[in-house]
Amino acid sequence: ETGVTQTPRHLVMGMTNKKSLKCEQHLGHNAMYWYKQSAKKPLELMFVYSLEERVENNSVPSRFSPECPNSSHLFLHLHTLQPEDSALYLCASSQDIGQGLLNTEAFFGQGTRLTVV
Amino acid sequence: GIQVEQSPPDLILQEGANSTLRCNFSDSVNNLQWFHQNPWGQLINLFYIPSGTKQNGRLSATTVATERYSLLYISSSQTTDSGVYFCAVEYVTNAGKSTFGDGTTLTVKP
Repeated sequence: ETGVTQTPRHLVMGMTNKKSLKCEQHLGHNAMYWYKQSAKKPLELMFVYSLEERVENNSVPSRFSPECPNSSHLFLHLHTLQPEDSALYLCASSQDIGQGLLNTEAFFGQGTRLTVV
Repeated sequence: GIQVEQSPPDLILQEGANSTLRCNFSDSVNNLQWFHQNPWGQLINLFYIPSGTKQNGRLSATTVATERYSLLYISSSQTTDSGVYFCAVEYVTNAGKSTFGDGTTLTVKP
């Protein structure tokens, strides 16, 4: 148990559906992240939030929409996804961003395995 | 370009064996972390080690920042050690961005 919880663990959705991924941390961290892990590829950073404000958006398509209502919760809203968006989506948190995303230890959730059909 | 190279890409061990995983990076780093991704996809933080040596049970890691590499040692491997081991770095010239390697897939057989 890393202190970062993601739900659901698995999600299958059609290309016209709207769904949301949820991430929750009870570590008192100020920074939260969304990563995408596609098959046979390294992790790709999608979004970074610090104190509930978005500080990084790595050219992610608008069909992915993040939301950070407070420092403990992070959502990723999904709509009109494509089959190539099927991947493992990982949430992470760290105490602060500081001078970099790895300035302090990052802790990851279990991930949501997303399949777009 | 900026990259993180991990070797070997795949490793198969018999239970009880020792192994060394390597992470090479191409420039000066602010930070480096080793993660273990278990077969269920979860990433577990193993070591935060921008330099020096750390040990945690059967695992230890050494980063030689001046020579741009880090090593992860696994001793007396167990089947539960199976999974993918990732090295992630934050380059000085790319502060604020983390770069992950492709990972080493470890399979420990009973």
